[in-house]
Amino acid sequence: ETGVTQSPTHLIKTRGQQVTLRCSSQSGHNTVSWYQQALGQGPQFIFQYYREEENGRGNFPPRFSGLQFPNYSSELNVNALELDDSALYLCASSLAPGRTTDTQYFGPGTRLTVL
Amino acid sequence: AQSVTQLGSHVSVSEGALVLLRCNYSSSVPPYLFWYVQYPNQGLQLLLKYTTGATLVKGINGFEAEFKKSETSFHLTKPSAHMSDAAEYFCAVSAEMDSSYKLIFGSGTRLLVRP
Repeated sequence: ETGVTQSPTHLIKTRGQQVTLRCSSQSGHNTVSWYQQALGQGPQFIFQYYREEENGRGNFPPRFSGLQFPNYSSELNVNALELDDSALYLCASSLAPGRTTDTQYFGPGTRLTVL
Repeated sequence: AQSVTQLGSHVSVSEGALVLLRCNYSSSVPPYLFWYVQYPNQGLQLLLKYTTGATLVKGINGFEAEFKKSETSFHLTKPSAHMSDAAEYFCAVSAEMDSSYKLIFGSGTRLLVRP
C-alpha cells in the first residue's frame, strides 16, 4: 500500500504569482482534503474533493482552487499569492467523505514561501 | 460548531516520565476525536482516534487517550516518555459539513523530552 505523496517539497514564489501543488492519494482513496498550516499553528481546512467534484470548503477565498483526477492525483492552485499564503500545505486522503469514522491519511506537505 | 483547545503550547518532561497532553473539545453532537503527531519537517501521523464505544483508546507508540464526556476532554497520555516522542501533537475533532466532514485542529502542543 503506497502512502500519500506531495510535490514539490519546498517552493519559493513572489507576491502576485500563481502556484500549483500536487498530491497523490493512497490507491483506492477517492476523497482528498487540503489543509493550510501556518507556522506555529494547527492545520486549517481549505477544501475537499470527492470523485473530482468540490465537496466542501473552508473559509478560504476563491483564489484557492483545486482539481482532482481519476488516477487519485489532485492539485491545489493558488492565484495572486500573498505574503500570508506562506505555510505548509498538507493533503490528506480518505476512502469516502461521508463516514465520520474514516481516517484521513496525510502527506508530508509542501512548504510554500512567498516573498 | 465544533472546536478543540489544547492547553499548553509546550510541555517538557524527562525521559521515562509520564506524558500528559491536554485537549478539551466543544461539540453540539457526539464528537469523533483524533490525536495526530507531527515530527519535524514531516506531515501528520495518526496516533489514535475515538469514535464510539470504549472511552479508553489505545494508539501507536504506547500512547492512549480517554474520552470524558462530563469534562469534554480527550487527554493524551504515555506512561514513560522516550526521546523519540519529541514532536508536535495535535488534537482534532471531526466536523460534519453537508455530506462530508473536515478535521478541526487545535493549535498544537510541542513535547520536549529531556535526557
